Amino acid sequence: GDSVTQMEGPVTLSEEAFLTINCTYTATGYPSLFWYVQYPGEGLQLLLKATKADDKGSNKGFEATYRKETTSFHLEKGSVQVSDSAVYFCALIMNRDDKIIFGKGTRLHILP
Amino acid sequence: GAGVSQTPSNKVTEKGKYVELRCDPISGHTALYWYRQSLGQGPEFLIYFQGTGAADDSGLPNDRFFAVRPEGSVSTLKIQRTERGDSAVYLCASSLGYSGANVLTFGAGSRLTVL
Repeated sequence: GDSVTQMEGPVTLSEEAFLTINCTYTATGYPSLFWYVQYPGEGLQLLLKATKADDKGSNKGFEATYRKETTSFHLEKGSVQVSDSAVYFCALIMNRDDKIIFGKGTRLHILP
Repeated sequence: GAGVSQTPSNKVTEKGKYVELRCDPISGHTALYWYRQSLGQGPEFLIYFQGTGAADDSGLPNDRFFAVRPEGSVSTLKIQRTERGDSAVYLCASSLGYSGANVLTFGAGSRLTVL
């Protein structure tokens, strides 16, 4: 079935470091792709999304590009901040479906 | 309300007991979703409501789980004869329409612990 695989955490970086969190997907068609973020004590929030191949989603300095050829949607940020510490979930939804399929999540710790 | 509200935030119960978890979605959101997040896992789909009806309940694990949304707003997830394996965070989300085209807003979740 359709699925999402993302790198295991925790990932620990120093402030201002470059961040990459890898995500690959398996799908029978062409899904829309998402990154959700869960800050401590808060609900899941949509961080960014891309709906077709080569689209780039961006928000709050984070970016991810929908790569059909490698079935990937890696999350990147050029300079992380302590406030970026959270759990990040890669996810997909198939066209005309109603259920989002999430990866297991990657916990990110940013040290000052 | 301003966001999706879930109650209780924490529930501890004994094996075999009945539990109800409540979700109050954003006003005007017709779509409502329940997900379950076990420790170390991503959220897993349980059920989707469009208005008052369950449009997709394929994620409910067995017949001990049931959910209602009688007036198309508040929803209740009901778990009968709870088992230790039911321990998880139960997440509710709402949106203006189905999740493929609309952004979901999640609540903070209800943490269920079955002893």
